[in-house]
Amino acid sequence: ETGVTQTPRHLVMGMTNKKSLKCEQHLGHNAMYWYKQSAKKPLELMFVYNFKEQTENNSVPSRFSPECPNSSHLFLHLHTLQPEDSALYLCASVRRQSASTEAFFGQGTRLTVV
Amino acid sequence: KQEVTQIPAALSVPEGENLVLNCSFTDSAIYNLQWFRQDPGKGLTSLLLIQSSQREQTSGRLNASLDKSSGRSTLYIAASQPGDSATYLCAVPGANSKLTFGKGITLSVRP
Repeated sequence: ETGVTQTPRHLVMGMTNKKSLKCEQHLGHNAMYWYKQSAKKPLELMFVYNFKEQTENNSVPSRFSPECPNSSHLFLHLHTLQPEDSALYLCASVRRQSASTEAFFGQGTRLTVV
Repeated sequence: KQEVTQIPAALSVPEGENLVLNCSFTDSAIYNLQWFRQDPGKGLTSLLLIQSSQREQTSGRLNASLDKSSGRSTLYIAASQPGDSATYLCAVPGANSKLTFGKGITLSVRP
């Protein structure tokens, strides 16, 4: 148990669907990140939120839309996805102490786009 | 731009063997390095966080070392067990605390 909860764990959606991924942490951290993990590739950073403000958008297509209503919750809204968007989506809650950075990950959402 | 390399991509060892997993990074101006474990289809579990001021960090059968000057970290696993089979990733923070990950080493421990 890492203290970071992602729902749903598995999601199958059609290319015309709209769905949302949810991430929740109660670790008291102020930074939350979305990562994409595709087979045989390193983790790809998608978005960074610090104190509810988006500070990083790593050239992510607009069909992915993040939302951070408060420092404990992070959403990833999905619409008109493509089959190549099928991947494991991971949320991280990040603790920053002095210059040190420590990440805690959720269990991920396995997304399949059909 | 920071690059993190983990070689080899896969490793298979017999149970009971002591082993070392390597991680190298190109920019030595780091504050810490974190090792993770990932089981298939699951999230990342943090194993060890080693600060730049530390040379080693230990947790049970795991020992991580960090040599900033040479851009290397190692994860030592003592007396490996089949339950240690997983993918092991290392990550270093860069500008704005963005983490750069290696591709991971997939470890298989044979009974």
